[in-house]
Amino acid sequence: SQQGEEDPQALSIQEGENATMNCSYKTSINNLQWYRQNSGRGLVHLILIRSNEREKHSGRLRVTLDTSKKSSSLLITASRAADTASYFCATAPPPGTDKLIFGTGTRLQVFP
Amino acid sequence: DTGVSQDPRHKITKRGQNVTFRCDPISEHNRLYWYRQTLGQGPEFLTYFQNEAQLEKSRLLSDRFSAERPKGSFSTLEIQRTEQGDSAMYLCASSLTRQGGETQYFGPGTRLLVL
Repeated sequence: SQQGEEDPQALSIQEGENATMNCSYKTSINNLQWYRQNSGRGLVHLILIRSNEREKHSGRLRVTLDTSKKSSSLLITASRAADTASYFCATAPPPGTDKLIFGTGTRLQVFP
Repeated sequence: DTGVSQDPRHKITKRGQNVTFRCDPISEHNRLYWYRQTLGQGPEFLTYFQNEAQLEKSRLLSDRFSAERPKGSFSTLEIQRTEQGDSAMYLCASSLTRQGGETQYFGPGTRLLVL
């Protein structure tokens, strides 16, 4: 079963604009990871944020985590057409199991 | 290419047939995971191994599904007596995990279509 949901389900923007995607989850976590998936392809790992971290940056990506609200956000700044993909958040429960529980994904379309 | 590889990339089979998929993890990664993804959904966990030991299986993994990692390196996922509902993308991932909670690196997936 899915852990939670991404919001919005779909997002269309112009190149150069920022894209923000939100993820909500249900149970306590050890960490939260964001992945990108191009159509019909495997998942590419973007960033991992641990439960004791609040914000993390990687290039044009900024991820925040609010464990009190059980939510995370992914910001892509200065978007490019090549950023067009589906974006998933995945949570790793506390130690004892190592499976990732994925959300439903946000489909991002960046127009040139 | 030192990433996770999967074979075949695509498989079309008739209902009732058996299929087997292979996953080669990143070298020296001790954990290997199988996920299944249907159209428009996020991946769902099926099972994972630490070295050759299968540590957890999802209830999604019916008796028709079996996974092995005999020497702690590559893994196979077999589906017996396939059903149309088995049509999905099967994803493999690996990680180098000592205490848990590390990045999982995914392969390109095997897309299965059961006619």
